[in-house]
Amino acid sequence: DTGVSQNPRHKITKRGQNVTFRCDPISEHNRLYWYRQTLGQGPEFLTYFQNEAQLEKSRLLSDRFSAERPKGSFSTLEIQRTEQGDSAMYLCASSKGTGVDTDTQYFGPGTRLTVL
Amino acid sequence: ILNVEQSPQSLHVQEGDSTNFTCSFPSSNFYALHWYRWETAKSPEALFVMTLNGDEKKKGRISATLNTKEGYSYLYIKGSQPEDSATYLCASPNTGNQFYFGTGTSLTVIP
Repeated sequence: DTGVSQNPRHKITKRGQNVTFRCDPISEHNRLYWYRQTLGQGPEFLTYFQNEAQLEKSRLLSDRFSAERPKGSFSTLEIQRTEQGDSAMYLCASSKGTGVDTDTQYFGPGTRLTVL
Repeated sequence: ILNVEQSPQSLHVQEGDSTNFTCSFPSSNFYALHWYRWETAKSPEALFVMTLNGDEKKKGRISATLNTKEGYSYLYIKGSQPEDSATYLCASPNTGNQFYFGTGTSLTVIP
């Protein structure tokens, strides 16, 4: 069990640029979640996958955000035409996907995005 | 959207003191309540998952209780130690398995 990993750990970009983050979940974990966390707030749900299927996406999520999980393994989160308001910590978590609501989620270290 | 709230926002205690914080959530359509500890520069770490009214769980000096009828959970830390300093988060899922987190309680244990 090597834990959830995320890359890069930090990303600085200029407004209007596209960025992509990667999350590698714990192997054999079927569920994968993306969250966004800003200063003083708790993690905000963005989307989650059951294997390769994206099952839920937050209504708060702009069309500039897209996530994929090809082959049900790693996942990528892309933000197009970044805005300063996108500056945040982006967290990934994975779970076994058997107990649904009761599964423990294991979090990665996050990717800190700064949009200048 | 679920309204999950935590109080207090921050807390400073002396080493050896016991402390507790609160997480409140909508009591209708309740599925589960998760507690996490998030230390600076580390990943959030799961503490407890609670589902049944009256549940009480314990992990070392940390314990939690759950009241689903009135919509709250308490987290207790007995004999706080400096290594307990962290932000404690609670989260609850809705029917679509979207997890809603509170804003957290930041605990600082002063040696």
